[in-house]
Amino acid sequence: QLQVQESGPGLVPPSETLSLTCIVSGGSISSNDYYWGWIRQPPGKGLEWIGRIQYTGNTNCNPSLKSRVTISADRSKNQFSLKLSSVTAADTAVYYCARDTHLEYWGQGILVTVSS
Amino acid sequence: QAVVTQEPSLTVSPGGTVTLTCGSSTGVVTSGHYPYWFQQKPGQAPRTLIYDTSNKHSWTPARFSGSLLGGKAALTLSGAQPEDEAEYYCLLYYSGARVFGGGTKLTVL
Repeated sequence: QLQVQESGPGLVPPSETLSLTCIVSGGSISSNDYYWGWIRQPPGKGLEWIGRIQYTGNTNCNPSLKSRVTISADRSKNQFSLKLSSVTAADTAVYYCARDTHLEYWGQGILVTVSS
Repeated sequence: QAVVTQEPSLTVSPGGTVTLTCGSSTGVVTSGHYPYWFQQKPGQAPRTLIYDTSNKHSWTPARFSGSLLGGKAALTLSGAQPEDEAEYYCLLYYSGARVFGGGTKLTVL
């Protein structure tokens, strides 16, 4: 059974870079069949799609976040990562990683708070 | 960026039928938008119910179905159960990017 799990700091100072990693187990990210993605949800608000990556490095991003988002994949560690630069309080959210193709496998989510 | 619209809230009686819709600011929603539907209960991660308009995952209850209806994507719940009370989100695909709708709060009452 495929599982994905987010990891990273729960507190990021304003203007810094948020960095999260999604560890994939029970399956390989090295498949042309699948994309792997990030989604976030500010407290009490709706879902926002951030972006996705295929292990080949092909990426797609939310245009509203594109200038600040970097998504990368590490085949050797079977994980993929999200970096969001110049964060503000508006970036405070629960961040989910998921297998983007069919979105059937989600992590439990990690709350990241932007605060000094 | 496109805006995806959903009803903010709907109410259905136990055992009743309700249809949630998902529209696009760019026009008619088609199968090429690969509509998804998610259910989210408080404190939980979203759970995908429908992908690519009408396909179900193994855990999707049979009472949920997806379709295209009147230029929108639609999620129909037939025979509502108390445990179906939740927030429902749709997701549409636009040339590489995806956009979520604002969500529909479904009350079973």
